[in-house]
Amino acid sequence: DTGVSQDPRHKITKRGQNVTFRCDPISEHNRLYWYRQTLGQGPEFLTYFQNEAQLEKSRLLSDRFSAERPKGSFSTLEIQRTEQGDSAMYLCASSPELFEAFFGQGTRLTVV
Amino acid sequence: AQKVTQAQTEISVVEKEDVTLDCVYETRDTTYYLFWYKQPPSGELVFLIRRNSFDEQNEISGRYSWNFQKSTSSFNFTITASQVVDSAVYFCALSVLRGGSNYKLTFGKGTLLTVNP
Repeated sequence: DTGVSQDPRHKITKRGQNVTFRCDPISEHNRLYWYRQTLGQGPEFLTYFQNEAQLEKSRLLSDRFSAERPKGSFSTLEIQRTEQGDSAMYLCASSPELFEAFFGQGTRLTVV
Repeated sequence: AQKVTQAQTEISVVEKEDVTLDCVYETRDTTYYLFWYKQPPSGELVFLIRRNSFDEQNEISGRYSWNFQKSTSSFNFTITASQVVDSAVYFCALSVLRGGSNYKLTFGKGTLLTVNP
């Protein structure tokens, strides 16, 4: 499978715990995006990487969120001290020099 | 700021009916890109089409067609002879170039299409 891969697909965590999600983009894609999607809404932009550089972060990304893309390959999104409002689908997308974004299947986070 | 409005929250049709999903966008940029994505129950967003602001030609791909009208800031999507497999949430999205390479997408809230047999 050569699509965007996200792990885990589902995560249930207790409030206050830290969680980390992983995204493996399509190998030749140098651009990587994280989006968050809540029920009944469209995805909202969180952050953007070109290769290993994080070039933009949304105001939605509070200090409890951090994303990395070491060596410009896979990316991780960590949420510290999770809150119930963090419950959502976290989507990763990658794109080549052209700009259609190809999305993974997402990680559904439930904070209880 | 960019904005995308999909006024239809849910649409239900019977198989073989034609259905049009509406999309209205707002941007002050003269160069922008419009997209449609399909999100089936599995959750993965599937790319359907990209259009740039300088190309108002309508496009047809099989049972799918798209009508782009800059005068009304609309980019509507029509499915002809709908099938049950078309049931999904459909998102319209807008992108403008920022920071040299960032084509982040602004999505509408989506339209849930249910095609009944």
